[in-house]
Amino acid sequence: QQQVKQSPQSLIVQKGGISIINCAYENTAFDYFPWYQQFPGKGPALLIAIRPDVSEKKEGRFTISFNKSAKQFSLHIMDSQPGDSATYFCAASRNQFYFGTGTSLTVIP
Amino acid sequence: KAGVTQTPRYLIKTRGQQVTLSCSPISGHRSVSWYQQTPGQGLQFLFEYFSETQRNKGNFPGRFSGRQFSNSRSEMNVSTLELGDSALYLCASSLQGGSNTGELFFGEGSRLTVL
Repeated sequence: QQQVKQSPQSLIVQKGGISIINCAYENTAFDYFPWYQQFPGKGPALLIAIRPDVSEKKEGRFTISFNKSAKQFSLHIMDSQPGDSATYFCAASRNQFYFGTGTSLTVIP
Repeated sequence: KAGVTQTPRYLIKTRGQQVTLSCSPISGHRSVSWYQQTPGQGLQFLFEYFSETQRNKGNFPGRFSGRQFSNSRSEMNVSTLELGDSALYLCASSLQGGSNTGELFFGEGSRLTVL
């Protein structure tokens, strides 16, 4: 059973647009929700993370929105750039990390 | 500060063989966890080691095993390889593991192809 469900599987956005990736989880015991970014040939790297006591966290162009009651969280990339083209994974954790299946983002010039 | 180092980066095996993958964590990190990455499945958790002890284990068959040494370096072994074991195997290190420190630092992975 997939503990974290991620959508969409792939996303194409124009340069300057907003990219939105969504995740949903089941286990209310999760207490840490990170997003990882992976470029081809590289391992995933932490992009931004949030804990369930806040509803939003912003770091530069990247924002996590967190809805505890709906058990959903999303990543928003503002002013998307071609350099943002990568695969993005959401995750949820409490002692063990559960990852979503990934979203391949392509930002076209 | 050196990152997480995984060896070998690429390897090809045939069905029935076994393979050993190695991971050197970031200096000072005591937790090492392993993940299998396949298209469409994302990252599947294999196991986590902390101070030479397996602390968590995912839902993989017993053919998948691991260990951690006193210097925190870790190895994972897959015996009796099957075609479905073809994947990118990622190692991640963290200071203490779990969600206490938050961040996992991943290596670039070992890409295993089983023919």
